[in-house]
Amino acid sequence: DADVTQTPRNRITKTGKRIMLECSQTKGHDRMYWYRQDPGLGLRLIYYSFDVKDINKGEISDGYSVSRQAQAKFSLSLESAIPNQTALYFCATSDNNYPFYEQYFGPGTRLTVT
Amino acid sequence: AQTVTQSQPEMSVQEAETVTLSCTYDTSESDYYLFWYKQPPSRQMILVIRQEAYKQQNATENRFSVNFQKAAKSFSLKISDSQLGDAAMYFCALCPLEYGNKLVFGAGTILRVKS
Repeated sequence: DADVTQTPRNRITKTGKRIMLECSQTKGHDRMYWYRQDPGLGLRLIYYSFDVKDINKGEISDGYSVSRQAQAKFSLSLESAIPNQTALYFCATSDNNYPFYEQYFGPGTRLTVT
Repeated sequence: AQTVTQSQPEMSVQEAETVTLSCTYDTSESDYYLFWYKQPPSRQMILVIRQEAYKQQNATENRFSVNFQKAAKSFSLKISDSQLGDAAMYFCALCPLEYGNKLVFGAGTILRVKS
């Protein structure tokens, strides 16, 4: 089984709908991240969490919220989806110990907002 | 501010030949790591190679090697003996340690391998 899983893998939704993307990991890592990938822009950090009680905004957090339900689970929500949130979303994890800089990515969620 | 620039949106290479992908970065941090990630059509992010900034020796992983020029803030990836399976999007990423090991990515370079 994959160490970092994301559900759903693909999703089409309408403008104004609330949607949640879920991420689970079995690596036992404390640190978790949500990134968004857009053509020509690479991946950009939306939110990150260093433990269950620690949530931080990233570069592009507007329009998004997150919940860290447990060490292993980190969800990303779009409260009212808009078309420019159409993108590929990645969850990632990393350890606190050396080499803590190495991040492990989930398979990605392709989100389309119509 | 932390930035990563990949100036080549797309590159092509003939199978079995060598190609170099460029990356420049900017950071005020003294301690950081640099990475190259590969993203094939499956869209999975795969770590190709990493370089610790305090190490002068260039990292090598089989057919993949880097040319790390710290003073110039340059971190290029060389792929030798290119294979069809190397065709993918390649991302350069910076991880300044004081930045909480958050990754800063470049825009990516699409590598096409011709048979």
